[in-house]
Amino acid sequence: EVQLVESGGGLVKPGGSLRLSCAASGFTFSTYSMNWVRQAPGKGLEWVSSISSSSTYIYYSDSVKGRFTISRDNAKNSLYLQMNSLRAEDTAVYYCARSQPDFHFDHWGQGTLVTVSS
Amino acid sequence: QSVLTQPPSVSGAPGQRVTISCTGSSSNIGAGYAVHWYQQLPGTAPKLLIYADTNRPSGVPDRFSGSKSGTSASLAITGLQAEDEADYYCQSYDSSLSGSRVFGVGTKLTVL
Repeated sequence: EVQLVESGGGLVKPGGSLRLSCAASGFTFSTYSMNWVRQAPGKGLEWVSSISSSSTYIYYSDSVKGRFTISRDNAKNSLYLQMNSLRAEDTAVYYCARSQPDFHFDHWGQGTLVTVSS
Repeated sequence: QSVLTQPPSVSGAPGQRVTISCTGSSSNIGAGYAVHWYQQLPGTAPKLLIYADTNRPSGVPDRFSGSKSGTSASLAITGLQAEDEADYYCQSYDSSLSGSRVFGVGTKLTVL
């Protein structure tokens, strides 16, 4: 069974940093592209970042480019999101999601809440 | 503002059929990129409902179906049930935004 478990969320002050992790199991992690998708309170889904299976291709939404860094460790079956210069508008539940070649997200984690507030 | 437009809400009585539209442009749906649909029940993570325009993952009832034409796609739900009350999102890829996976704004389905 595919499982994705996020961790690392919490309360951080504006301008601060946070690192999210996603532990994957139940599939061959190193052969799939992985993604972060977020959802602000009461709002819709927003794609944040994607990383290819061997980290060759990395993409970010314009809203986080230059502030967030996605990475992965295939030996540890883990996905990461380093978030710097956090803003109030980054407050959201952050989901880790596996994707297929046609860009659909076939498995999602339960999400971790990031709150940016003074 | 999302590049994929959905109605904010739709509603229907149990047993009825409802459709949710997803309108894009020539850089996403109109360019031939696949459209996918997700169901998000209150307080839970999104769940894949339809992928590659018309395909249902294992376990998704055949009451759910997808279609696509031109720059638009639709999700149809027949035999509406109370447990279908949820938020529904369409998603595709947009070639005008580097690496960008794009979501619709979401549609709230209310079962009357």
